Amino acid sequence: DQQVKQNSPSLSVQEGRISILNCDYTNSMFDYFLWYKKYPAEGPTFLISISSIKDKNEDGRFTVFLNKSAKHLSLHIVPSQPGDSAVYFCAASVRGYQKVTFGIGTKLQVIP
Amino acid sequence: NAGVMQNPRHLVRRRGQEARLRCSPMKGHSHVYWYRQLPEEGLKFMVYLQKENIIDESGMPKERFSAEFPKEGPSILRIQQVVRGDSAAYFCASSQRTSGSGNEQFFGPGTRLTVL
Repeated sequence: DQQVKQNSPSLSVQEGRISILNCDYTNSMFDYFLWYKKYPAEGPTFLISISSIKDKNEDGRFTVFLNKSAKHLSLHIVPSQPGDSAVYFCAASVRGYQKVTFGIGTKLQVIP
Repeated sequence: NAGVMQNPRHLVRRRGQEARLRCSPMKGHSHVYWYRQLPEEGLKFMVYLQKENIIDESGMPKERFSAEFPKEGPSILRIQQVVRGDSAAYFCASSQRTSGSGNEQFFGPGTRLTVL
């Protein structure tokens, strides 16, 4: 039972354009959402998070949007840079519980 | 300011041997988590530990796998009698729980276990 779903295994975007990575979840108990970035042969790196009391959180070029009614969140990267090429994991948790559930990841390629 | 340390980075074992994976959390972090990533899959939660306590082991296989986080020293993930299906990348993460914080976990570089 996959509670966090990333349905696009890969995405290619031109440098300078916007990258949009999508994520859906099924567990209505989730109230905290995170995005991680992972390069090959390295561990995931925390990128940005959002609490369910918000619908948007912005940090530099990265913005996460949360649509609770649709159980959907997205990560926007603008402008995209070649160094953003990595696998992006969507993750979710319930506040007060440390267990984090990850999606299977979306591989982003930013083409120079 | 060292991050999460894992060793070894690569581990090769033959079927039936034991594998021991070590994780030192970030300084000041008292929560440790282990995840497994099989080829072409996402990270799957295995176990969550605090010092000397297993808090949630709902993701651990019932047999052959165990984890500990002693009062002194690193956290250890132990796999007994390894099989080929245990070949994966094992990631450790740590977090510091402060008032009002989320569940941001900081990951180590992983141990890549290969079972021959």
